[in-house]
Amino acid sequence: ETGVTQSPTHLIKTRGQQVTLRCSSQSGHNTVSWYQQALGQGPQFIFQYYREEENGRGNFPPRFSGLQFPNYSSELNVNALELDDSALYLCASSPAGGPFEQYFGPGTRLTVT
Amino acid sequence: QKEVEQDPGPLSVPEGAIVSLNCTYSNSAFQYFMWYRQYSRKGPELLMYTYSSGNKEDGRFTAQVDKSSKYISLFIRDSQPSDSATYLCAMSARDSNYQLIWGAGTKLIIKP
Repeated sequence: ETGVTQSPTHLIKTRGQQVTLRCSSQSGHNTVSWYQQALGQGPQFIFQYYREEENGRGNFPPRFSGLQFPNYSSELNVNALELDDSALYLCASSPAGGPFEQYFGPGTRLTVT
Repeated sequence: QKEVEQDPGPLSVPEGAIVSLNCTYSNSAFQYFMWYRQYSRKGPELLMYTYSSGNKEDGRFTAQVDKSSKYISLFIRDSQPSDSATYLCAMSARDSNYQLIWGAGTKLIIKP
């Protein structure tokens, strides 16, 4: 059984650019959540997707958007990057019927300069 | 005031000691309580989750939930240097679509 995978591992972007991060969920999981984790902080919930529909959103501006595909993989898109967007971006998948039990990928470390 | 409070540490203990990690919370709607372990520059790894109040044991780890006090704990017995990591608590409620609310994490150091 393959766990949650994310790509790329590291990314450096310039302020104002756009970025797309990708996540493949664990087999049998139909719910994907995205989190932003700043250094020394707990993860902050960005949004969740369930069966290709957004199913909850945290306190993030609209320039953070996402998609979930029929195979339950997901993308996080961030437009107009700001310096404060520098963080570890985590994807987590949940098994069908159990969104409270989330399994995380290794994360994508984004640096905005 | 944050919804979930967790002492950031660091907490340093000798190998073999019993470790106690704790979180307090303010939202009485929380029903599911989780502990994650996170090594440096890695994603969080789910250690245990419990529903409502009570205890749950898994090997060297015991999770306790006291909903009346809004207080949860994770105990690690016979601690090992490989347990050195940041431990994060997280909790969720059905009425918020099980969105996880996190503590800031406690950095634990087990000295050989």
